[in-house]
Amino acid sequence: DAGVIQSPRHEVTEMGQEVTLRCKPISGHNSLFWYRQTMMRGLELLIYFNNNVPIDDSGMPEDRFSAKMPNASFSTLKIQPSEPRDSAVYFCASSLYGGRTEAFFGQGTRLTVV
Amino acid sequence: DAKTTQPNSMESNEEEPVHLPCNHSTISGTDYIHWYRQLPSQGPEYVIHGLTSNVNNRMASLAIAEDRKSSTLILHRATLRDAAVYYCILNQAGTALIFGKGTTLSVSS
Repeated sequence: DAGVIQSPRHEVTEMGQEVTLRCKPISGHNSLFWYRQTMMRGLELLIYFNNNVPIDDSGMPEDRFSAKMPNASFSTLKIQPSEPRDSAVYFCASSLYGGRTEAFFGQGTRLTVV
Repeated sequence: DAKTTQPNSMESNEEEPVHLPCNHSTISGTDYIHWYRQLPSQGPEYVIHGLTSNVNNRMASLAIAEDRKSSTLILHRATLRDAAVYYCILNQAGTALIFGKGTTLSVSS
């Protein structure tokens, strides 16, 4: 397997624009996680899906952020409208039986909002 | 969530063993102890995890105190490529990993 695949790797956008980040988890994994990393706040959990259902979205900062998992092989994280403070590296991770087995992380998407 | 305490930073010399400590005095009976590391400009990477017994794998060893209130990640021979931030995380089945600040390990040649 190619691992967790995220796209794009880098995204530069203007304030107010919509941004969509994409994630393809490892085949067969039933848990998917979105994280955000900044120097100030470290690695923060945004949302956790299990079997395509959101289990914990308490980390989603505000209504501008939304995440979907329409099927077991694809997830999106959307920011609309984007703001400069959303600039960060966004990681997607997947695991089999979240919490009991190892999680595999993608390479991340570096988002810059200007 | 149960909390862990790690030193902010540690230094090591290449080819020497490294012992990274983690305190988790409020651990519950169902908490697994996970270790992840993050190399520069990469996503976190799984290192090892355990529940009660010491664990070994190709990357490292995990020594868990008998009362489970602390654990130590052991890198048997540090290399320059082991320089990273190491995270000790308590995690229960069915929940997501919550990352703290971790320990930044520097390795000198």
